[in-house]
Amino acid sequence: GAVVSQHPSWVICKSGTSVKIECRSLDFQATTMFWYRQFPKQSLMLMATSNEGSKATYEQGVEKDKFLINHASLTLSTLTVTSAHPEDSSFYICSAPTSGTDTQYFGPGTRLTVL
Amino acid sequence: EDQVTQSPEALRLQEGESSSLNCSYTVSGLRGLFWYRQDPGKGPEFLFTLYSAGEEKEKERLKATLTKKESFLHITAPKPEDSATYLCAWGYSGGYQKVTFGTGTKLQVIP
Repeated sequence: GAVVSQHPSWVICKSGTSVKIECRSLDFQATTMFWYRQFPKQSLMLMATSNEGSKATYEQGVEKDKFLINHASLTLSTLTVTSAHPEDSSFYICSAPTSGTDTQYFGPGTRLTVL
Repeated sequence: EDQVTQSPEALRLQEGESSSLNCSYTVSGLRGLFWYRQDPGKGPEFLFTLYSAGEEKEKERLKATLTKKESFLHITAPKPEDSATYLCAWGYSGGYQKVTFGTGTKLQVIP
């Protein structure tokens, strides 16, 4: 149990375009999901907390207008990188805790490359 | 200031050579200490959650322990398939399920 999926696995886009990444909890409901970014040889950095039915909470230094988060249902959160630039190229990973626990289960990640 | 430090940054072991990874922390109001394994190009895989000093958990060749200042991930008789980056993460009271990750230890087990 506790499976989280992401789509797409990888995406290549041109500078200035927008990219949407989906995160789904497959066998449980998640009122909260988290979005992380990981640069090569670095650890995971929390970007934002996605809340079902309300606005996302962004970490300090993360541009909310650039990284749009929508928690559309109890099993789906999306991250849209708007007007992407090469410096946005990274590995984006989502996670979700199962109800009533602190343990987070992670998706497989999405590799974004902006040309 | 809350801080979590993992050591060593990298560790190379011969197959069968047991060792330990360290995660030391100075966190006020620690809610939980988590261990994850991450393979290259993949999301972290959950291993253990520890909540209180003295707590231990085991899974196959791995054993996690927690004291008031640090957590250890003991690897007994490792195999090449144990090669990965091991991450510890911590949650804090009032953080509502939010966790912060350490920098990780990259483990390589040589046949």
